[in-house]
Amino acid sequence: SQQGEEDPQALSIQEGENATMNCSYKTSINNLQWYRQNSGRGLVHLILIRSNEREKHSGRLRVTLDTSKKSSSLLITASRAADTASYFCATDGSSASKIIFGSGTRLSIRP
Amino acid sequence: NAGVMQNPRHLVRRRGQEARLRCSPMKGHSHVYWYRQLPEEGLKFMVYLQKENIIDESGMPKERFSAEFPKEGPSILRIQQVVRGDSAAYFCASSHDGREETQYFGPGTRLLVL
Repeated sequence: SQQGEEDPQALSIQEGENATMNCSYKTSINNLQWYRQNSGRGLVHLILIRSNEREKHSGRLRVTLDTSKKSSSLLITASRAADTASYFCATDGSSASKIIFGSGTRLSIRP
Repeated sequence: NAGVMQNPRHLVRRRGQEARLRCSPMKGHSHVYWYRQLPEEGLKFMVYLQKENIIDESGMPKERFSAEFPKEGPSILRIQQVVRGDSAAYFCASSHDGREETQYFGPGTRLLVL
């Protein structure tokens, strides 16, 4: 079964609002990553957070990691139309060399 | 510095034909990973290769699928005798080091089996 599972599956918000996506995983990890995928395109790496980190920022992105709850959240502040995409969390699972993706959150930003 | 290159971007095959997908990693990267994404789903790991070696093929179907990463040239994902269920987007990623390193993804090859 999937290591990472995103919640919600789909999210629609107004431009300018904040978007929060959550990810839960099952086994211990070394790191957790978030990726964005625009429709029909490849994945773009957004941010990596290591298991000993609790929070990380990158521009309008804020990622938190709670290893006790085996969960992570991705917050996009002041959303823009260009943020419309699918967002995937990925963990390294049982192997540090391969990453395992969840099924994604489809984010739509309404103008 | 060019990113990960994949070709072709789109590939149409009839049932029973062979599909060859190519991936050129980023310059300086010697680790390559292949993932498959079915419509409306997340990516699933298929295989991890270093130059001339398969490190982890736990996600590869047992039959018809093979992968290689020769000393010279791109990595190749080969699907023999394709079936309709093979229709998917196949993504390649590369990293400099296989341990806890960010993987950089190519644009994917979209395979359609008629």
